[in-house]
Amino acid sequence: AQTVTQSQPEMSVQEAETVTLSCTYDTSESDYYLFWYKQPPSRQMILVIRQEAYKQQNATENRFSVNFQKAAKSFSLKISDSQLGDAAMYFCAYRALGGSEKLVFGKGTKLTVNP
Amino acid sequence: NAGVTQTPKFQVLKTGQSMTLQCAQDMNHEYMSWYRQDPGMGLRLIHYSVGAGITDQGEVPNGYNVSRSTTEDFPLRLLSAAPSQTSVYFCASRSGTGFYEQYFGPGTRLTVT
Repeated sequence: AQTVTQSQPEMSVQEAETVTLSCTYDTSESDYYLFWYKQPPSRQMILVIRQEAYKQQNATENRFSVNFQKAAKSFSLKISDSQLGDAAMYFCAYRALGGSEKLVFGKGTKLTVNP
Repeated sequence: NAGVTQTPKFQVLKTGQSMTLQCAQDMNHEYMSWYRQDPGMGLRLIHYSVGAGITDQGEVPNGYNVSRSTTEDFPLRLLSAAPSQTSVYFCASRSGTGFYEQYFGPGTRLTVT
């Protein structure tokens, strides 16, 4: 069974600085999708960034980028120029390509941004 | 375009009561899912549907029932509520083509006493 592990229950960063959230996963599949979701106190799940496993190029969305290491099964999220509004729970998630509907989530990392 | 909507936002039930959590989407998505989120855990899949009339079990289906009579609606029924079902429930939908991005509703916080 696929599993997703986020080893940092909590992280903090100073405003305007950079922080990296870690995620590792376990799968025997070769094709899959990986996602980072943000959950602010409002509870809404917001997609931050996504990566297709067959693409070697790391995904980037504005201040958010990933370091995808397929062989190491690692998918870390880097937030540059951190803003107060980035404070939230961040969840890493995995989905196998085709067939399975299940998104497998990690337990989350709570990010605090200090002014 | 409202996206994925869920009602109610909050609910308190007594053990043994039944209720239905409503979920609707206006994006014509084929796939719809229900997840639950417990403290210290990520979301876990309860049930899902790949189209009207087709449903299947997820990771934690016991105590829940679903049906999908239309593309837009995917209600989740708690048959006989138990304290272990205290959780936040999320409905999600996605298209069957493209990037498979899940769109989530705002969640329902359910407390069973």
